[in-house]
Amino acid sequence: AQTVTQSQPEMSVQEAETVTLSCTYDTSENNYYLFWYKQPPSRQMILVIRQEAYKQQNATENRFSVNFQKAAKSFSLKISDSQLGDTAMYFCAFRPNFGNEKLTFGTGTRLTIIP
Amino acid sequence: DVKVTQSSRYLVKRTGEKVFLECVQDMDHENMFWYRQDPGLGLRLIYFSYDVKMKEKGDIPEGYSVSREKKERFSLILESASTNQTSMYLCASSFWGLQGVGETQYFGPGTRLLVL
Repeated sequence: AQTVTQSQPEMSVQEAETVTLSCTYDTSENNYYLFWYKQPPSRQMILVIRQEAYKQQNATENRFSVNFQKAAKSFSLKISDSQLGDTAMYFCAFRPNFGNEKLTFGTGTRLTIIP
Repeated sequence: DVKVTQSSRYLVKRTGEKVFLECVQDMDHENMFWYRQDPGLGLRLIYFSYDVKMKEKGDIPEGYSVSREKKERFSLILESASTNQTSMYLCASSFWGLQGVGETQYFGPGTRLLVL
């Protein structure tokens, strides 16, 4: 069974600063997907970024980038030039590549951007 | 844009009541999911469905059942609600990708259920 660990229950940073959210996972699979989802207060959960394990290159989406270390089973999210709208719960999630559509989520990190 | 809707944002029910939570998606997705979200526990999968009339148990199916009679609609049923089922319930959907692998899951706004 896979497990996903987010060791930072809460974080806060000043607006315009850079912040990194950590995520580690445990699996015996070789091919899989990793995701970061964002859940703003009282709003819908949306996908921030996703990474295929077979890709060496770290995924990037505008101000959001990941540091994927497959050997260390680490998948951190970096938010650059943080904005007030980045305030949200962030969940890391894992899914095997084949045979099972189930997402395994971490417990989440509550990120607050301070004006 | 993908749209996943849930029938209620807030729901208050009594212990022992039968509760129906409805989820509808408008993108012809094959896969649909029900999660519950609790503080400190993240999201946990209750049930999912690959196709009409098909269902698979997730991690915490006890006390729940599901129904998928139409492709766009996936219902979660609490047969006899209990106070420990007070939670946020999230529905999600995804389609099968070209390689036979499910793609990104899209979430509904959630239903916050309080069982008294």
